[in-house]
Amino acid sequence: SAVISQKPSRDICQRGTSLTIQCQVDSQVTMMFWYRQQPGQSLTLIATANQGSEATYESGFVIDKFPISRPNLTFSTLTVSNMSPEDSSIYLCSVEGQGSPLGELFFGEGSRLTVL
Amino acid sequence: AQSVTQLDSQVPVFEEAPVELRCNYSSSVSVYLFWYVQYPNQGLQLLLKYLSGSTLVKGINGFEAEFNKSQTSFHLRKPSVHISDTAEYFCAVSAATRAGKSTFGDGTTLTVKP
Repeated sequence: SAVISQKPSRDICQRGTSLTIQCQVDSQVTMMFWYRQQPGQSLTLIATANQGSEATYESGFVIDKFPISRPNLTFSTLTVSNMSPEDSSIYLCSVEGQGSPLGELFFGEGSRLTVL
Repeated sequence: AQSVTQLDSQVPVFEEAPVELRCNYSSSVSVYLFWYVQYPNQGLQLLLKYLSGSTLVKGINGFEAEFNKSQTSFHLRKPSVHISDTAEYFCAVSAATRAGKSTFGDGTTLTVKP
C-alpha cells in the first residue's frame, strides 16, 4: 500500500487566481496520477507525472491550465491556473501500489476546490 | 479504449439486506477490473480487484464480485449490508498497456437505511 498526503484539503478561491496542490507519497514511485472529480461525477484522469520528464496530459487537459511538477520520486504538484467556477472539483493524487503494476491505485484524500 | 457503465446511480437498501451493484464494461483488449469505495469527504480505497484466475473475487468488508467475460460484467455483491456501507462505489477498468490509467464508471450511491 501507499500513504498519500495532499495539501490543501480544501480551499475557496477567487475567479482568475491560481492554486497549487501538493501531493506527498510515503515511498518512491515512478508515476503519479492526477484525477479530477467534478461535483456528483466520476473521476477523470488529468495527467500522469513522471519524474525527470514532462507530464503526459489526457485529451481535454493542457499544460497551460494544469501545470504539473515532479521534482523527485515522492512528490508532485498540480496547479490549477486562472480558475473559473467550472474548476470547482475535488482533485485527487494517486499512485500505483508497490508490487502492483496492474492498475490498482491508491488515492490521497483529495483537495476540494471551490471557485467563486 | 475502455468504457465502464454502472447501471444504477443510486441504490437504497435496508440494513442486513443483500445488495448488488452492477457494472458493465467494454474494451478491445484484456482488462483488469476494480471496485473502489469512497466514503464522504475521503479519497477512494480499493475494495477488490480482478486480474486473472478465479472469476469470483473477494474483497474487504465482506464484498465480493464476479467477473463474467461473456457478459462483460463485474457486479459487486454483499449478502448483508451495514449502515457503515453507505458510500459511493466506483467500478473501474485498466488495460495492461495503460497501467495506472484507469477508466471509472459514474459511481453508484449506496444508501443503507436502518
